[in-house]
Amino acid sequence: NAGVTQTPKFQVLKTGQSMTLQCAQDMNHEYMSWYRQDPGMGLRLIHYSVGAGITDQGEVPNGYNVSRSTTEDFPLRLLSAAPSQTSVYFCASSPLRGLSYNEQFFGPGTRLTVL
Amino acid sequence: AQTVTQSQPEMSVQEAETVTLSCTYDTSESDYYLFWYKQPPSRQMILVIRQEAYKQQNATENRFSVNFQKAAKSFSLKISDSQLGDAAMYFCAYSFTSGTYKYIFGTGTRLKVLA
Repeated sequence: NAGVTQTPKFQVLKTGQSMTLQCAQDMNHEYMSWYRQDPGMGLRLIHYSVGAGITDQGEVPNGYNVSRSTTEDFPLRLLSAAPSQTSVYFCASSPLRGLSYNEQFFGPGTRLTVL
Repeated sequence: AQTVTQSQPEMSVQEAETVTLSCTYDTSESDYYLFWYKQPPSRQMILVIRQEAYKQQNATENRFSVNFQKAAKSFSLKISDSQLGDAAMYFCAYSFTSGTYKYIFGTGTRLKVLA
């Protein structure tokens, strides 16, 4: 199993550009989520999904869109990048049943810089 | 609103010694999960240990154990026989068990292990 994969690993954008961060998991997990990590602030939840076709906002959703058309994929879209969105982004997935219930499996992260 | 507080931004421990990282949280829920995640310099988030709130017994995983005080809303991590590979950022996290399935992370504690 590849686990949780994220692409790209690094990205530089100019203010106003749009882009999509890709996230995929091959563990058939129902739950997927996106976080941003900023120095001194821990991980903050952007959006999450408990299954295909179901998404909801987290703590810091403004400026980001998500969709969940399949169990495996959960892309994060930046509509119009701003310097405040410079951060490291993590995707995570979690089963909602079984022994690993609620344990989050993280991708390797994407470092995004917005100039 | 639920919050997670890690009051120690940085800790140091001598190799082979024991160190305790503190975490407190605030919630009105009676059923929830608590986690400690490790983030080494590679940036990959790794689950260290988990605790279900309904279980009174403290969780242990090899050299890692927790002191879960539900009434005090405290969830500290003890690392015994510290090793150089334990050097990392450690995040405490709280998770709802139903409804929103949201995770809340603390701001992290950077652990240095001295040879």
